[in-house]
Amino acid sequence: DGGITQSPKYLFRKEGQNVTLSCEQNLNHDAMYWYRQDPGQGLRLIYYSQIVNDFQKGDIAEGYSVSREKKESFPLTVTSAQKNPTAFYLCASSPQSSVYEQYFGPGTRLTVT
Amino acid sequence: AQSVTQLGSHVSVSEGALVLLRCNYSSSVPPYLFWYVQYPNQGLQLLLKYTSAATLVKGINGFEAEFKKSETSFHLTKPSAHMSDAAEYFCAVGSNYQLIWGAGTKLIIKP
Repeated sequence: DGGITQSPKYLFRKEGQNVTLSCEQNLNHDAMYWYRQDPGQGLRLIYYSQIVNDFQKGDIAEGYSVSREKKESFPLTVTSAQKNPTAFYLCASSPQSSVYEQYFGPGTRLTVT
Repeated sequence: AQSVTQLGSHVSVSEGALVLLRCNYSSSVPPYLFWYVQYPNQGLQLLLKYTSAATLVKGINGFEAEFKKSETSFHLTKPSAHMSDAAEYFCAVGSNYQLIWGAGTKLIIKP
């Protein structure tokens, strides 16, 4: 089955630790995205990548980093510099022919204490 | 800058009643408009999209939306609500290769 996988579903970390969230897709999509979701705020774009080895900052990139070494993979690192990292993180992908039709993974809920 | 406004963070309807979720957008050019649905603790799924072919757009699960340029609106409707429609619904506008999202409306279905 084609789709997007995110792991783990739940992640717990202590404050001051970096943590990496995994996102893999087998849809052969060129574009991939990371969003942060907080209650009542909709989705906010952290980073996006339209092609391998290239990515751009979204609206809230501070405290986050990404890499895009393979078409299938777009991991997100939440660094200790992110002031309020506890949130639900969603990864998405889309074909270049219709970038707005995004396919989402099931999400990772990160809790930092 | 583009923006999307969804009126009502929560909407409650009885099972079998009409569902109406409101979305207004700001756009100076013909928009790409979308509705996505998110079931609890899951990712989002595309419900329907407007791409200028027709003003009334039909989506999955019996939902439809009407594009009204004069009102800059793209409201989502369903004639008869079902318990399985309980979810959060997001309106979005496509702009500069990104989606601009509304804050979401949580649909509550009363038995």
